[in-house]
Amino acid sequence: EVQLVESGGVLVQPGGSLRLSCAASGITFSDHYMDWVRQAPGKGLEWVGRSINKANAYTTEYAASVKDRFAISRDESKKSLYLQMNSLKTEDTAVYYCARLISGSNSFDYWGQGTLVTVSS
Amino acid sequence: DIQMTQSPPSLSASVGDRVTITCRASQDISNYLAWLQQKPGKAPKSLIYAASSLQSGVPSRFSGSGSGTDFTLTISSLQPEDFATYYCQQYYRYPLTFGGGTKVEIK
Repeated sequence: EVQLVESGGVLVQPGGSLRLSCAASGITFSDHYMDWVRQAPGKGLEWVGRSINKANAYTTEYAASVKDRFAISRDESKKSLYLQMNSLKTEDTAVYYCARLISGSNSFDYWGQGTLVTVSS
Repeated sequence: DIQMTQSPPSLSASVGDRVTITCRASQDISNYLAWLQQKPGKAPKSLIYAASSLQSGVPSRFSGSGSGTDFTLTISSLQPEDFATYYCQQYYRYPLTFGGGTKVEIK
């Protein structure tokens, strides 16, 4: 059974940093593209960024709104995906989801339950 | 960025009704279109990819169609568990973008 479990969401002050984790099980972690998607309270979904698979050297892509502030990485040994968030702004307040992409499709299939990040003074 | 426009933003329907939600892309995205379902307080669930392919385990009352810029999600006979918000999403080009959502409510 595929499971994605996010953690690390907390209350943080503007300008602060935070690292979110997404622990994967039931998948061949290195084979799949993995994304972060966020949802501000009461709002729609916003794509944050992507970790492409091992065959593509875990290349990353980012939304313009987070590029140069956020960084996505992986630890194969822990089957974990990370989102390092720096220079946080109040508008980064959201539930952050990790999601797996179908091999060869670039479309999502499995999602984690999400973790809430609140940026406030 | 590719803009995704859904209509209607919300609709009221009864159990057993046929429901249709439309999604328009601001440029040709071929069939790189997915539909997601989200219930309050829950993570999104992927329903359809490649415009018309059902994800494993998704009931056959859900169907998708379209290509290019215009797409449709149809629920052939609405069930109580289908009351939720539905999002379309393009994955033709970075950045991935989502429609604003359609909330399906009980009439």
